[in-house]
Amino acid sequence: LAKTTQPISMDSYEGQEVNITCSHNNIATNDYITWYQQFPSQGPRFIIQGYKTKVTNEVASLFIPADRKSSTLSLPRVSLSDTAVYYCLVVPAYSGAGSYQLTFGKGTKLSVIP
Amino acid sequence: GAGVSQSPRYKVAKRGQDVALRCDPISGHVSLFWYQQALGQGPEFLTYFQNEAQLDKSGLPSDRFFAERPEGSVSTLKIQRTQQEDSAVYLCASSSVTQTGDEKLFFGSGTQLSVL
Repeated sequence: LAKTTQPISMDSYEGQEVNITCSHNNIATNDYITWYQQFPSQGPRFIIQGYKTKVTNEVASLFIPADRKSSTLSLPRVSLSDTAVYYCLVVPAYSGAGSYQLTFGKGTKLSVIP
Repeated sequence: GAGVSQSPRYKVAKRGQDVALRCDPISGHVSLFWYQQALGQGPEFLTYFQNEAQLDKSGLPSDRFFAERPEGSVSTLKIQRTQQEDSAVYLCASSSVTQTGDEKLFFGSGTQLSVL
């Protein structure tokens, strides 16, 4: 599985747009990029997934350039409740031995400041 | 149920005690996973069930760890003769389909185990 690299921490003021970039240089053709969010004392929560270009849902946007060696999670107008750890994962879109073992890494700790 | 439920929420054990952690997945979910999360780290895979079959237990750290899902719904993670290094949050997750990597998981809030 492709290894991911993302910043350990980020700070942002309320109301700002936050972009968290993840690098995954060894991503394979059939891999997807998935982001999970984890609040303190809770399990991770799926927020968005994409393969290429741009994906948007009610929570975030995910930008993936053509070479797919990186991706950027964009959170619009963050609030204090967006303070959490955000994990970037590369996941294989096939069924097979080990394909379901998600590798989380340490994630990016986002702190939103009033 | 509405979500994945885990119990107990907190567990304190003396070193050497056996513990059992329970997971109630979302009703009808075929796939069930256990993950271990140490303080300040991301979750790490322990084991995977498809219905009642344990298809992968490669992440279990030692033979003191045992998981079961006898009727394909509720699962129990048992740790025998607990050690201090077993202290962590144990997360259960479920999914509605036979698992491929791109299927999203639904996680419970975890059981925080502290071994003294």
